[in-house]
Amino acid sequence: SQQGEEDPQALSIQEGENATMNCSYKTSINNLQWYRQNSGRGLVHLILIRSNEREKHSGRLRVTLDTSKKSSSLLITASRAADTASYFCATDRGTYKYIFGTGTRLKVLA
Amino acid sequence: GAVVSQHPSWVICKSGTSVKIECRSLDFQATTMFWYRQFPKQSLMLMATSNEGSKATYEQGVEKDKFLINHASLTLSTLTVTSAHPEDSSFYICSARKTGSGYSNQPQHFGDGTRLSIL
Repeated sequence: SQQGEEDPQALSIQEGENATMNCSYKTSINNLQWYRQNSGRGLVHLILIRSNEREKHSGRLRVTLDTSKKSSSLLITASRAADTASYFCATDRGTYKYIFGTGTRLKVLA
Repeated sequence: GAVVSQHPSWVICKSGTSVKIECRSLDFQATTMFWYRQFPKQSLMLMATSNEGSKATYEQGVEKDKFLINHASLTLSTLTVTSAHPEDSSFYICSARKTGSGYSNQPQHFGDGTRLSIL
């Protein structure tokens, strides 16, 4: 399977804490993206990082990319209850067909 | 901008019926749309790539005759689950990418999904 792997599969933290989730993939990529999915809903795009970028920020989100290790991480700082959701990474090899990771279910406790 | 509307959001029907799901890009043109299937607490699996004006490209293991895809315009793709059976029950999600040059590093935009339950 070409599917990426994410860890942890599930993460439970207290409000205000930081949440870190990791994504590993198998082939060379054009870019990597992170999405959030609330229960029973579609995906919301969070951030895109290109293969020639190493780090990117957007608000409370920080994404890193290590192409030599074929891995990426998503850090959510000062988490809120509203951040409770599933988070997926998706890789694009330039064919516009995304390969999604297995996802991390984040629960932020108030 | 970049809103994708998916309809219906929820459908329950009897085994043997066919169900059509629509995916519309509301404020942009999309030459290419994608259809995914998602089982509970699992990731998204790409079913097919829908191309405007041409045949869809199906992923390995996806039955073309079972999941009919039509992409008749730059803003609409439809997925029809034919002769649906309980094992077809799932969450189906579409996405679309903007058409044109300069969009090679742009995200896909997702609909809100359709929960299909076959009795």
